[in-house]
Amino acid sequence: GQQLNQSPQSMFIQEGEDVSMNCTSSSIFNTWLWYKQDPGEGPVLLIALYKAGELTSNGRLTAQFGITRKDSFLNISASIPSDVGIYFCAGQLSGGSNYKLTFGKGTLLTVNP
Amino acid sequence: EAGVTQFPSHSVIEKGQTVTLRCDPISGHDNLYWYRRVMGKEIKFLLHFVKESKQDESGMPNNRFLAERTGGTYSTLKVQPAELEDSGVYFCASSQRTGGLYGYTFGSGTRLTVV
Repeated sequence: GQQLNQSPQSMFIQEGEDVSMNCTSSSIFNTWLWYKQDPGEGPVLLIALYKAGELTSNGRLTAQFGITRKDSFLNISASIPSDVGIYFCAGQLSGGSNYKLTFGKGTLLTVNP
Repeated sequence: EAGVTQFPSHSVIEKGQTVTLRCDPISGHDNLYWYRRVMGKEIKFLLHFVKESKQDESGMPNNRFLAERTGGTYSTLKVQPAELEDSGVYFCASSQRTGGLYGYTFGSGTRLTVV
């Protein structure tokens, strides 16, 4: 089955720094998604990307859908303490299996005030 | 609008016991999904219901896992008998229609620990 390689596994940064994380896949996905999970909560959708090459922002977050449709990155600018959590990338196919999400292993982000 | 509700939030059971997890989807969402995250690994798809019908249970680990959705409302996921490797966080999600991201919302999860 499809696998997503997400890196880095964890990051420890100072408040105010920028952060970048990425996902790569050996398979093509039609949609790339970025989720954040706070402790004790479920994943919450941050950004969805639908077209190859698409660059989308949501506040301090920016994500891009790679041209090859096999990769995506997420940038967080000027990090703040509440950015702490686990960030997951996820890919979604179209067609018969388009209800399934394939997730990466997550990036644990710690922000030091 | 209430979100996806999962119960219990935590469960600690002994190997060999039975545990039943419950998920209440968002009202009106026909699609219900179960996912699982084993510690340090990715969140993995388990199965998908459309109303009361199982559309895809290809991600279910083995026959110790049984999911039901009687009446097309809430769903239960039973593990019997539980093994150590079943420990993890079980997420439920629901969506209004199949495909796309229309209201694809996750619950807070049930953290299952098998000792």
